[in-house]
Amino acid sequence: DAKTTQPPSMDCAEGRAANLPCNHSTISGNEYVYWYRQIHSQGPQYIIHGLKNNETNEMASLIITEDRKSSTLILPHATLRDTAVYYCIVRVTNVQGGKLIFGQGTELSVKP
Amino acid sequence: NAGVTQTPKFRVLKTGQSMTLLCAQDMNHEYMYWYRQDPGMGLRLIHYSVGEGTTAKGEVPDGYNVSRLKKQNFLLGLESAAPSQTSVYFCASRRTGSNQPQHFGDGTRLSIL
Repeated sequence: DAKTTQPPSMDCAEGRAANLPCNHSTISGNEYVYWYRQIHSQGPQYIIHGLKNNETNEMASLIITEDRKSSTLILPHATLRDTAVYYCIVRVTNVQGGKLIFGQGTELSVKP
Repeated sequence: NAGVTQTPKFRVLKTGQSMTLLCAQDMNHEYMYWYRQDPGMGLRLIHYSVGEGTTAKGEVPDGYNVSRLKKQNFLLGLESAAPSQTSVYFCASRRTGSNQPQHFGDGTRLSIL
């Protein structure tokens, strides 16, 4: 079972920041939060991951609350190509090679 | 910069036929995975490998076999294909290290008639 909860869908205007929330209230102290996205049934694309500090890379920023029970993925300037299903995943370490458990994700629609 | 490459991209089989899906990665990753994705069910782990010469079962291993004879390749075999194995198959790989992310290929779309 997925250990995360995400809204099923969100809209965002092109050029604006997209803020995608995720709840992971049962996360353990050593478990990382990962974000992936999937476009048109292509392979899932890794975006970013973090443990407890905020993280930023060329694609996005990840904000994790101090109690680690929730996080937000931020796409600073969304484009039409960012339309995809976004998955927030808490990976189960040391189980089946550290498999990823994908939930239903958030379907983000970026509109002109 | 190939990353994870899956072949073939599409295939149609008849029930009872066999085939092998190939996953190749050029990142020198230790870990490799095979998942299947079905509508409304997310990705489910079929088999995985923590290194050359080793394989292990995932959540849904029945009807599939795997081999990891070379570090860069992970093969998924269907000995006798069944319609229930119609799916999109994704391969992934990652480095050693508990926080290392998995990187996915573009998938193989398999239909069993």
